[in-house]
Amino acid sequence: DADVTQTPRNRITKTGKRIMLECSQTKGHDRMYWYRQDPGLGLRLIYYSFDVKDINKGEISDGYSVSRQAQAKFSLSLESAIPNQTALYFCATGKVGGGEQFFGPGTRLTVL
Amino acid sequence: SQQGEEDPQALSIQEGENATMNCSYKTSINNLQWYRQNSGRGLVHLILIRSNEREKHSGRLRVTLDTSKKSSSLLITASRAADTASYFCARNAGGTSYGKLTFGQGTILTVHP
Repeated sequence: DADVTQTPRNRITKTGKRIMLECSQTKGHDRMYWYRQDPGLGLRLIYYSFDVKDINKGEISDGYSVSRQAQAKFSLSLESAIPNQTALYFCATGKVGGGEQFFGPGTRLTVL
Repeated sequence: SQQGEEDPQALSIQEGENATMNCSYKTSINNLQWYRQNSGRGLVHLILIRSNEREKHSGRLRVTLDTSKKSSSLLITASRAADTASYFCARNAGGTSYGKLTFGQGTILTVHP
């Protein structure tokens, strides 16, 4: 079974709709992250959480919100989707004191 | 803004050849990491090198770090078609930014059989 799962894997929506992307992990890590990737670019950090009560904005948080429902769950919401939010979204986890991060398979989001 | 810049943007080689990718950054680091991404999939961690290390090996991978030049390189020896992927460096700045990674734009490696 995958350690970091994301749902849905693909989503097509319309401008103005509210969208939620979900991430679950079985790795037992405290730290969770949301990134977006645009074609030909690296990953940019949207939000991150170092524990259930800790939420922090990343590089590009405008237009997004998150919820850390439990250690294992971290959701990303687009309150009112717009076409330039079309991208590949990744969730990742990491250990306290560790360096590496573990990525989910990604959600491909298209906003029409 | 992205702090890691990678060079070249794309690299095409034959199986058996070595592939070298470079990463430069602008501010100090706690560690630097390399990740691999197969087309459209999640990133997989390859290797982490700390700021007080100069070289690390893992199988066919060799990573070097020059903190005076703020640069790192990833060498894949005896490449295989299965090494075809995008490779990203990611900087961990440490301090209040510890636990956050800043990614470069990646190098697309194509290994021809």
